[in-house]
Amino acid sequence: NAGVTQTPKFQVLKTGQSMTLQCAQDMNHNSMYWYRQDPGMGLRLIYYSASEGTTDKGEVPNGYNVSRLNKREFSLRLESAAPSQTSVYFCASSEGVRARDGYTFGSGTRLTVV
Amino acid sequence: AQSVTQLDSQVPVFEEAPVELRCNYSSSVSVYLFWYVQYPNQGLQLLLKYLSGSTLVKGINGFEAEFNKSQTSFHLRKPSVHISDTAEYFCAVTPISGGYNKLIFGAGTRLAVHP
Repeated sequence: NAGVTQTPKFQVLKTGQSMTLQCAQDMNHNSMYWYRQDPGMGLRLIYYSASEGTTDKGEVPNGYNVSRLNKREFSLRLESAAPSQTSVYFCASSEGVRARDGYTFGSGTRLTVV
Repeated sequence: AQSVTQLDSQVPVFEEAPVELRCNYSSSVSVYLFWYVQYPNQGLQLLLKYLSGSTLVKGINGFEAEFNKSQTSFHLRKPSVHISDTAEYFCAVTPISGGYNKLIFGAGTRLAVHP
């Protein structure tokens, strides 16, 4: 019963490098989300996908792109990493349009950009 | 638009003492309310939620929260904390109506339980 799986768990990048954070859920959820967590700022929404085939910007989308590859997978790409993108990234999913059951979160990816 | 304010960034408490973590929200529409817990180096887990009905909601690990509509608050309480409750706690809301079901989170409260 995996839930939401994120890879990798840790990553160090040099400024300007690119990488893709992977997320997969096995709960047949329709909606998926990418958040970043920074000290004292809580969780901020980067992008979300309300359903397969759709993606929308959240609160802090600059410097990121996303792909909803299929119903299970939602990836986050950093095209040219910057030190300001050092953060912990969380993927989450929810069953439907209304978050009555809240979200199920992955265990996070800790990214450091040097 | 919605916003969530967690009034304390850190709450130190001794083991077996009671604790209250405060959460206020702002919204022009009705909302669902949630509390999440994040243990060190882990993702967020749902503690409890308020959807409708009784304003006192019980969750996992002995936590409970009370919804107060007039004060737009959803404070989290536990009568007797354990060392294992040391974690960061997040309050969140989402509008009941509207096109998107995004959760809006507060900045978090770090609960430190001391022996």
